[in-house]
This record gives sequence, structure tokens and C-alpha cells, in this order.
Amino acid sequence: DTEVTQTPKHLVMGMTNKKSLKCEQHMGHRAMYWYKQKAKKPPELMFVYSYEKLSINESVPSRFSPECPNSSLLNLHLHALQPEDSALYLCASSFGGTNTGELFFGEGSRLTVL
Amino acid sequence: LAKITQPISMDSYEGQEVNITCSHNNIATNDYITWYQQFPSQGPRFIIQGYKTKVTNEVASLFIPADRKSSTLSLPRVSLSDTAVYYCLVGEYSGSARQLTFGSGTQLTVLP
Repeated sequence: DTEVTQTPKHLVMGMTNKKSLKCEQHMGHRAMYWYKQKAKKPPELMFVYSYEKLSINESVPSRFSPECPNSSLLNLHLHALQPEDSALYLCASSFGGTNTGELFFGEGSRLTVL
Repeated sequence: LAKITQPISMDSYEGQEVNITCSHNNIATNDYITWYQQFPSQGPRFIIQGYKTKVTNEVASLFIPADRKSSTLSLPRVSLSDTAVYYCLVGEYSGSARQLTFGSGTQLTVLP
């Protein structure tokens, strides 16, 4: 299994809603990432978990809350988002720590905030 | 962090070789250079990775000069299905912190 699975593929939410994005991999990778990608821009790093511990938080607003229940799962909890948070949210994983650039990406969750 | 720059766009014809450059002046000493391909509304897909000199796999070659401040992705004999955005990914230092950062991306359009 060489896949990173993200759900849902599409999500529409209001600014007062609470929702979650989920990511799963079964490749035995020990680092997992959340990226945010706006149209025609490169992915921007939000969070990195290495061996289930948050190792990098790129000063992301607190309305985004990551969670890593185990080495195979990664969640991104969303609350009180703004319309400018609408984007493609990408999950990725890598073998070992965060020194390798060989990331395996999911297909992304397209988020629209109304 | 220093910006990691790529040409915004490139056009090519089917069957030609395409070379896409990435400038990464602040690359971390021990980091690899990785290239990805991305189609619309999909996640980036790994193409090739290298540390120095030249690396070749079944789909591409990667050329890295001795100073490692740039790299060139070479796609031999492109086809229409190679139309996509191509990103380099590099580890950079900002002070003592290191992070993986994507380049600005190059939209490659292959014409018939």
C-alpha cells in the first residue's frame, strides 16, 4: 500500500462550523505533514509530526488544530475559519524523520469556507 | 527564508527535451533536492531526488552543480500528458531552523 488517503475530498463549511480533515497512511512512515495550497501557488507547510510528536508548527492560526492519534493517522480540526482559509489541504508522509524530501502526498481535501 | 525560484512557465512540443531550473541559494548542507509533478486538483507526485552531480531514473534526470545552489530537472521526449506544474523541494536554513520549502513552481505546457 503506497497511498496516502485523505477524506473528505471536498468540504464546504460556514465560519461558525467545526469540521475535521482526516489523513491515513499504512506505509510505516513516521513523519506526517499538513500543507495548504492556494490556487496557482506552491504548497505551504502548516504542521509536521515526527514519530507522533508535533515537531514543526509554521505559526498557523489556532483555528487550525492538528492531531496525530497514532503513526498512521493525522487529523486537522477546523473551527471558526475565515473565507481566506479556502484552499486545497494536502497531507503527506515520509519514511523516517523530516530530513528527507521524498514525500508521499494524498489527493487533497478541497475546503470552501462561506 | 530565501526564496526558491523557478521559471513561471515553459512551453515545449511533443518529443522535445525540457529542462527546468530551480535556484536554491540557501540550501541546507545535508538536504536532498526533490522534484515533484502536480496536476490540477491533485497532490504532488514524486519524480526524482538527488544530492549532487547527476541522478537518472526511468522518467527524468536531475543535474546538480558542485555548489548545490541550483538544480535542473530534465524531461526527455515530453508528451502531452507531461503538461503539469513542476516543483522543486529543498531544505533551507532560516537562522538555526531548517524546513522543507517548495519552489515557486513551473507550469509546463506541452504542445502537439
